[in-house]
This record gives sequence, C-alpha cells and structure tokens, in this order.
Amino acid sequence: DQQVKQNSPSLSVQEGRISILNCDYTNSMFDYFLWYKKYPAEGPTFLISISSIKDKNEDGRFTVFLNKSAKHLSLHIVPSQPGDSAVYFCAASGAAGNKLTFGGGTRVLVKP
Amino acid sequence: DAGVIQSPRHEVTEMGQEVTLRCKPISGHDYLFWYRQTMMRGLELLIYFNNNVPIDDSGMPEDRFSAKMPNASFSTLKIQPSEPRDSAVYFCASSPRGGQNQPQHFGDGTRLSIL
Repeated sequence: DQQVKQNSPSLSVQEGRISILNCDYTNSMFDYFLWYKKYPAEGPTFLISISSIKDKNEDGRFTVFLNKSAKHLSLHIVPSQPGDSAVYFCAASGAAGNKLTFGGGTRVLVKP
Repeated sequence: DAGVIQSPRHEVTEMGQEVTLRCKPISGHDYLFWYRQTMMRGLELLIYFNNNVPIDDSGMPEDRFSAKMPNASFSTLKIQPSEPRDSAVYFCASSPRGGQNQPQHFGDGTRLSIL
C-alpha cells in the first residue's frame, strides 16, 4: 500500500512560469513532510519541509502548502528555471520520527 | 564539508556472489539509513541505525540482507547470496542528533547489477 503518492510522473513547464507538484498521503499519523530533489546519478537533496502545525512554508522560490484535511501537499516553484529540471520526491514521517516514506517522484522538465 | 560517501559507485556481479556496500556518514550525525530504489517500488527504507545500534530493520527484504555499523563513521550493507532481483540503486543517508524532523543527507548511491 502506497502511503505517499505522487500521481503525476512528469511535468513540463516553460522557464519563468510556475511549477506545481502534488503529493497525497493516507496515513493520518504523518506529521512532518519534506520535498527532495534528485539529479541523475546523484542522491536526493533536501529542498524544503513543513510541519503539520503549519499550512505553508516558503524558502526563496520554493513554497510548500499543506492541507491536512485533504491529506494533500504541494510544492510551488516560482519562477521555474532550467536548473530545476530534476525528479522531485515528496516524503513524510510520523510518530516514529526518523522513518521517511517516499512518494514515487515527479520528473520536472523546465524548457528554456 | 564532506557529505555522505558511498562505495563502490557501481557494482556488477554474478548471481550467488556476496555483495558488500559501504557508507561513511557525515561526521557528527547520529542516524544512518539504508534505502533501495527500484522502478517498481520506488525509494524504500531498508534499515536505520541510531548511535550505531539498529533501530528498525523491518524494511530488509530477506535474510540474505544484513547491515552493520561497527562504529560511528562506517556502515555496510551485505547481500549474500545475491540474486538478479536485488539489482537496484542503494542509497545511504545520515541525519544529525535529534534525528526527528531533521532532513536526511543522502550519498550518491551504489548502482548494483546482479547478472
């Protein structure tokens, strides 16, 4: 059973426009959510996170929104840049704290 | 500062052979994680350690898999005997003391191919 789902396997966006990545989860015990970015042949790198006590967290061009009632979070990248082309993973952790459950990833292509 | 270091980066071996993957976490990090990434199952946690002690190995697929952390700066993931279905990218990650809600830092992975 996939507890964290990213239903869009890929996304293509024009440079300068907004990229919106979505993530849904089923486990109501999850209380901390993270986004990771991954380039080919490299490990995932941490991008941004949000605690369940918040509904929004912003870091430069990246904003994560959390809708607990819908068990849904999204990552907004504004403006998108060619260097943002990568695979983005949503991840969640719960009471166990350290265990991360990852979504399947969304491949983003930013066209110049 | 050096990140998480994994070796080898690539490993190709024949079915039935023993495979040992190595990981050096970031100095000062108390938590170490082993993940496996496959097309079918995505990125899944195999096992994690806190202060060199295995805490949760519920993700280890079979008894053929074992992991050790003899000291704070080194961990191994061993597969014996290896099978073609073990082919995947294996990642090691570490996080600081107070691992809860601390982002994990990943190595660049070992791409394992079992023929």
